[in-house]
Amino acid sequence: AQSVTQLDSQVPVFEEAPVELRCNYSSSVSVYLFWYVQYPNQGLQLLLKYLSGSTLVKGINGFEAEFNKSQTSFHLRKPSVHISDTAEYFCAVSDVERSGNTGKLIFGQGTTLQVKP
Amino acid sequence: KAGVTQTPRYLIKTRGQQVTLSCSPISGHRSVSWYQQTPGQGLQFLFEYFSETQRNKGNFPGRFSGRQFSNSRSEMNVSTLELGDSALYLCASKIEGANIQYFGAGTRLSVL
Repeated sequence: AQSVTQLDSQVPVFEEAPVELRCNYSSSVSVYLFWYVQYPNQGLQLLLKYLSGSTLVKGINGFEAEFNKSQTSFHLRKPSVHISDTAEYFCAVSDVERSGNTGKLIFGQGTTLQVKP
Repeated sequence: KAGVTQTPRYLIKTRGQQVTLSCSPISGHRSVSWYQQTPGQGLQFLFEYFSETQRNKGNFPGRFSGRQFSNSRSEMNVSTLELGDSALYLCASKIEGANIQYFGAGTRLSVL
């Protein structure tokens, strides 16, 4: 079984400051890792994914994340945030062995990023 | 290419009623998954359909059911609604063998 823990429920930050949203996972099997963003009254949009290869992955809107297998973490970072980044962010995992053949994602509880002017 | 389309966007029902939500996947996507999002429980996997068959199921009571049609469109049904069923219901689709899912905007269900 897999589980995902997002360590901060809310992260307030000033505009143009850097930010890190933390995600840890637990799994007995290899996993793929994802970050999704949800703007108010909208669905989920994929920010970035780690499937294999380089542990530093870059996504849309200037976000990046680093996969750390030994620490079972996949923290999301952005060097300079904008007001428009205010949203809820979800970390998710899927089972590598079954990922291609199942749509099941396990999500963390979400982190609300509040960017202040 | 059109994205995942969910209808309706908003629904208000009363306890004891039943409801049907619809999801049209991206063209060519045959896998459709459903998730429930609530403030207390977060995002939880309900079930997944592929080729008109349910092949994965989350830990929800039997009041939650679904189906998929030959054109890959999917519906989910909740019978005997309870107040706790108030949630945003999200649908996601993907290509078989791929690892990326694409989500619709969701249907917000309010049970009064």
